Amino acid sequence: GAGVSQSPRYKVAKRGQDVALRCDPISGHVSLFWYQQALGQGPEFLTYFQNEAQLDKSGLPSDRFFAERPEGSVSTLKIQRTQQEDSAVYLCASSRLVAGTDTQYFGPGTRLTVL
Amino acid sequence: AQSVTQLDSQVPVFEEAPVELRCNYSSSVSVYLFWYVQYPNQGLQLLLKYLSGSTLVESINGFEAEFNKSQTSFHLRKPSVHISDTAEYFCAVRTNSGGSNYKLTFGKGTLLTVNP
Repeated sequence: GAGVSQSPRYKVAKRGQDVALRCDPISGHVSLFWYQQALGQGPEFLTYFQNEAQLDKSGLPSDRFFAERPEGSVSTLKIQRTQQEDSAVYLCASSRLVAGTDTQYFGPGTRLTVL
Repeated sequence: AQSVTQLDSQVPVFEEAPVELRCNYSSSVSVYLFWYVQYPNQGLQLLLKYLSGSTLVESINGFEAEFNKSQTSFHLRKPSVHISDTAEYFCAVRTNSGGSNYKLTFGKGTLLTVNP
């Protein structure tokens, strides 16, 4: 596709439910990132994949958060037993190369609301 | 670790007026600097970036930013804004060396509202 796509765009979950957020990166992009953007804040780094390998998950806020990219393309961010503090916009980004000066291209985000 | 401070959370201006969105950063190592723009219901789009060379960088739609190392600033400017520039603007940094140089650190954003 032309850009990074994410689905669903909006998700409402009851507290305690599990959710799965999908990211389709730009075709051929090696690197994939997840960021969390709370209301009124800038995006904060969650995790980074190089192809199918998760090289950095230091930003995941708890063990309820899990991300995967099994075939090195589509990625899923899963949140188990959602809590109200998980309400945020979850952004996915991809870049062509591994690091350095390569530009990260962002998707439109998934807005998660936990009631 | 790095941090980014955007001094103004909201900046209202009239159409055709000049604007400056301020950004200061803190880092113990050299960084790359970025401005991203987020239009309503859209993802972040890269507006411009400073990697090396000339400290003044420009975007295709008339914005410019100047890297000032001594003041650790990367302020965004436009001499004459349009209604269509209404958006949220995020300043971000990334280190240019080390093991985590893929990780962007963002400021909290500045909402630019251009009024007729």
